[in-house]
Amino acid sequence: DAKTTQPPSMDCAEGRAANLPCNHSTISGNEYVYWYRQIHSQGPQYIIHGLKNNETNEMASLIITEDRKSSTLILPHATLRDTAVYYCIAVSTGTASKLTFGTGTRLQVTL
Amino acid sequence: EAGVTQSPTHLIKTRGQQVTLRCSPISGHTSVYWYQQALGLGLQFLLWYDEGEERNRGNFPPRFSGRQFPNYSSELNVNALELEDSALYLCASSRRQREAKNIQYFGAGTRLSVL
Repeated sequence: DAKTTQPPSMDCAEGRAANLPCNHSTISGNEYVYWYRQIHSQGPQYIIHGLKNNETNEMASLIITEDRKSSTLILPHATLRDTAVYYCIAVSTGTASKLTFGTGTRLQVTL
Repeated sequence: EAGVTQSPTHLIKTRGQQVTLRCSPISGHTSVYWYQQALGLGLQFLLWYDEGEERNRGNFPPRFSGRQFPNYSSELNVNALELEDSALYLCASSRRQREAKNIQYFGAGTRLSVL
């Protein structure tokens, strides 16, 4: 699976959009981009995933560049409960047996 | 619909002891995964079970083992506990692997402390 790179930390004011970037320049054609988050001492929570089209669900939006070398997770109206470590990972469709989490981005939402 | 449930939530053992952790997947999920997350470190893949069979194993010694039951629940066993086994053990489940884009859903974990 392709390596992903994320900034170690970000801050966001409550109520504002949080835009979390992820670089995956070596991603291959059959690899999806998945986003998970982990709130302190809890299990990771699935957020969203996509292949090449932009995706939106009740939690977030995922914007993938046309060349698929990077993506952005958007939390449209961040709340304090969104404070967590966010992980961007690339997962092959045929070998999705294990997830390899990097160090992620620690998002701090403040008042 | 109930999520992935793990038991116990916390466990304290001493070095050399053995421990069994349990996981119940989401109804309809046949795959179960085990991960270890030591303090301050990322998730390390331990084991993957699908339909009762071990399908993949991470880079852990043989004293880490497990099994999956006919109802798809799973146990993780760790023998001869060492201090460095202290960690949060996470279980995840997903639909059968033949389906594309399987999403892993995680439980809250079992925090194991080895003294």
